[in-house]
Amino acid sequence: EIVLTQSPGTLSLSPGERATLSCRASQSFSSSYLAWYQQKPGQAPRLLIFGASSRATGIPDRFSGRRSGTDFTLTISRLEAEDFAVYYCQQYATSPGTFGQGTKVEIK
Amino acid sequence: QEQLQQWGAGLLKPSETLSLTCGVDGGSLSLYYWSWIRQSPGKGLEWIGEISHSGITNYNPSLKSRVTISSDTSKHEFSLKLSSVTVADTAMYYCARGWGLTGYFDYWGQGTQVTVSS
Repeated sequence: EIVLTQSPGTLSLSPGERATLSCRASQSFSSSYLAWYQQKPGQAPRLLIFGASSRATGIPDRFSGRRSGTDFTLTISRLEAEDFAVYYCQQYATSPGTFGQGTKVEIK
Repeated sequence: QEQLQQWGAGLLKPSETLSLTCGVDGGSLSLYYWSWIRQSPGKGLEWIGEISHSGITNYNPSLKSRVTISSDTSKHEFSLKLSSVTVADTAMYYCARGWGLTGYFDYWGQGTQVTVSS
């Protein structure tokens, strides 16, 4: 199965700053079948991005995703108070779909 | 707007069978794949398996021998059974709607904490 490694483990930033989260796949896959989720304490994950760069319904445009080979990036252009959370990537190119271990974005 | 409501027993003893059900409020199970996912501090998010609108199932090989996912289209529900549970199966369990076979998940249930303890 494909292993996804997210970095950094924790990102300490201030509101208004830019957040760049990384997700690296253990092997290449030809399709951009990668999603990003946001999870807040006590809540289920929320879909942000699918297809590596397509925003889900209702997701603000400060969230963006891109792919470069086996490296995927989620960028939050200007952090708002509600963006401090844990973010997960998920590949769905091959079965079983797998998730990264998460990156926590915390208030500095 | 799809809503998924899940229910089932939250406390089990080792060797018992975990049983959870997820109801789909938005309507039928048609067109999508319906998954179970669990989350634990030790293993993170782990996809368990899925069932299609036509009843085709696909399971994570790591759990395949113990998992059964079924659906009742007349009730707009799908269910998870995980047999012979151990302490390692303690986790938050989620149901979710998936796009395509082995897809991404756009709607999630509220989660059910399942604890396995003797």
